[in-house]
Amino acid sequence: DTGVSQDPRHKITKRGQNVTFRCDPISEHNRLYWYRQTLGQGPEFLTYFQNEAQLEKSRLLSDRFSAERPKGSFSTLEIQRTEQGDSAMYLCASSPRDSEGLAGNYNEQFFGPGTRLTVL
Amino acid sequence: AQSVTQLDSQVPVFEEAPVELRCNYSSSVSVYLFWYVQYPNQGLQLLLKYLSGSTLVKGINGFEAEFNKSQTSFHLRKPSVHISDTAEYFCAVRLQGGKLIFGQGTELSVKP
Repeated sequence: DTGVSQDPRHKITKRGQNVTFRCDPISEHNRLYWYRQTLGQGPEFLTYFQNEAQLEKSRLLSDRFSAERPKGSFSTLEIQRTEQGDSAMYLCASSPRDSEGLAGNYNEQFFGPGTRLTVL
Repeated sequence: AQSVTQLDSQVPVFEEAPVELRCNYSSSVSVYLFWYVQYPNQGLQLLLKYLSGSTLVKGINGFEAEFNKSQTSFHLRKPSVHISDTAEYFCAVRLQGGKLIFGQGTELSVKP
């Protein structure tokens, strides 16, 4: 049983550079979520996909951020022209689609280990 | 807007002592509530969840939580902690579409 994997685990970059992170969800999970966690804070929602469709984006996701899930499997999160304020842990989670409004059918989100980004 | 407040940023406790980590939420609709644990350099792991039904929810590793609608609280408890419980704990509420809104986290430090 393979869980959610993220690559790379750590990334150090200089301000102004572009970075891309990858998330591989659990096989057959059709929902995929991205969160950002800064030091001393809880994770904050960024965006989520159902299959290849990006259904919601947080206002935290500025124009420099873009996420894709082209074939409904793995996802990438790209940050262009990185800033020091982008330094954070980027977490990915996946889940099967649940039935809205039917509490008993809620499906757990499984989190990956995260990618820690440091912008110098 | 829905939000989650964890009332203690750090909770030091001695091994085998009981512990309570406090969580309050604000919501105008029915809520689904969760507690996650994060060990150093790892992702989040689900401890327990409240969706409906019994207000006392039991989770993994001996943890339990009680949903209190009138006080809008979902406090996490364990009667006897171990060194291995040292970690960061996050309370969260689920919104439509499945996204989670997390509290700021509580760092539980268990001392021998």
